[in-house]
Amino acid sequence: AQSVTQPDIHITVSEGASLELRCNYSYGATPYLFWYVQSPGQGLQLLLKYFSGDTLVQGIKGFEAEFKRSQSSFNLRKPSVHWSDAAEYFCAVGGSGATNKLIFGTGTLLAVQP
Amino acid sequence: NAGVTQTPKFRILKIGQSMTLQCAQDMNHNYMYWYRQDPGMGLKLIYYSVGAGITDKGEVPNGYNVSRSTTEDFPLRLELAAPSQTSVYFCASSRGAVTEQYFGPGTRLTVT
Repeated sequence: AQSVTQPDIHITVSEGASLELRCNYSYGATPYLFWYVQSPGQGLQLLLKYFSGDTLVQGIKGFEAEFKRSQSSFNLRKPSVHWSDAAEYFCAVGGSGATNKLIFGTGTLLAVQP
Repeated sequence: NAGVTQTPKFRILKIGQSMTLQCAQDMNHNYMYWYRQDPGMGLKLIYYSVGAGITDKGEVPNGYNVSRSTTEDFPLRLELAAPSQTSVYFCASSRGAVTEQYFGPGTRLTVT
């Protein structure tokens, strides 16, 4: 079955520290992968996406993610976290089908300590 | 360019009432989606549409209906509201297949 797992429900980091949010997927075909961020009371904003090509992708707000097919992972990273990065982060996987349906993980809530 | 808009932002319904959540997009996107978000559960797809006049069920369609008469609008109808439909509802759109989805700000619905 197709699924996305975000093992960390809640993470707290200090401002200025590095960050890695984990995402593992199970998908039978070539996956297309996304990271979205949701600030409190807001909709989802796309951080970055992977469709093909270079497995290290750059996104907005200084985020990057690396696609590792052998590990079925698409972890999100940021070298230095800012207080404004506190939000919930969702990993999602889609495929090449005509419907463009996405499967979302359950999210990781990031808190940033001063 | 407003992107994806949703109305209302908040709504409280009594059990058994009905309502329509409105969604509109001005990006001329063919594909539109409705999700519900429950705490700790991520987003679940309710219905989607790949073009005007074409809709299909997602993962959790029971208790909902949709229509797509225009490219711009994709309303979601709740006919007999139940407490289990208390959730935050997001509408999204995309240009087509294998493209990113753009999300609206959400509607927070409480059924009591």
